[in-house]
Amino acid sequence: QSALTQPRSVSGSPGQSVTISCTGTSSDVGGYKYVSWYQHHPGKAPKLMIYEVSNRPSGVPDRFSGSKSGNTASLTISGLQADDEAEYYCCSHAGSDTSVFGGGTSLTVL
Amino acid sequence: QVQLQASGPGLVKPSETLSLTCTVSGAFISSHYWSWIRQPAGKGLEWIGRIYTRGSTNYNPSLKSRITMSVDTSKNQLSLGLSSVTAADTAVYYCARGLGNTAFDYWGQGILVTVSS
Repeated sequence: QSALTQPRSVSGSPGQSVTISCTGTSSDVGGYKYVSWYQHHPGKAPKLMIYEVSNRPSGVPDRFSGSKSGNTASLTISGLQADDEAEYYCCSHAGSDTSVFGGGTSLTVL
Repeated sequence: QVQLQASGPGLVKPSETLSLTCTVSGAFISSHYWSWIRQPAGKGLEWIGRIYTRGSTNYNPSLKSRITMSVDTSKNQLSLGLSSVTAADTAVYYCARGLGNTAFDYWGQGILVTVSS
């Protein structure tokens, strides 16, 4: 069970859009419709932003959207705001009722 | 308002067993599954395992031989045991509520556990 691959960092200016990728294999991301995304500000608890690839929990702005193609899932944040600056993690079902996280992506709002 | 609060020793000696408890308020522990997740300093999140209140568990294969998870529905608590710890087990440990198949919708604030003599 290897960690999912995410870019170490991405950046964008306020108002722009950014996309964070999360690449796995057919045994995890590609094999299931169970990918979730988390926003993590330092010192705080991670926050669920997307579940089951593209579903937003109540209270998460529709600026956040998720998708998947093959073994790669993506989180897109549109209309970037300063408060979006955080670490973002993907997580996928990995068979046998286990889960695996990505290595995390640091988002910088320029 | 669902709240989770992890508690336990912040310092554990190498080779000993790390024991943490997570107290849940605002939700019935029997209505969901629960997970433990950790984050070593400077590293990403790592899924440790999950437990259903009927008692079934699923563990990270890399940690499976050292993990014990349990729930106490009368106290609305879940527990984590990690045996034979080393410095590599030093991390912030989170408890979280499961949503759907693989999502965690409520998280505790996390507790830092340091493994050191």
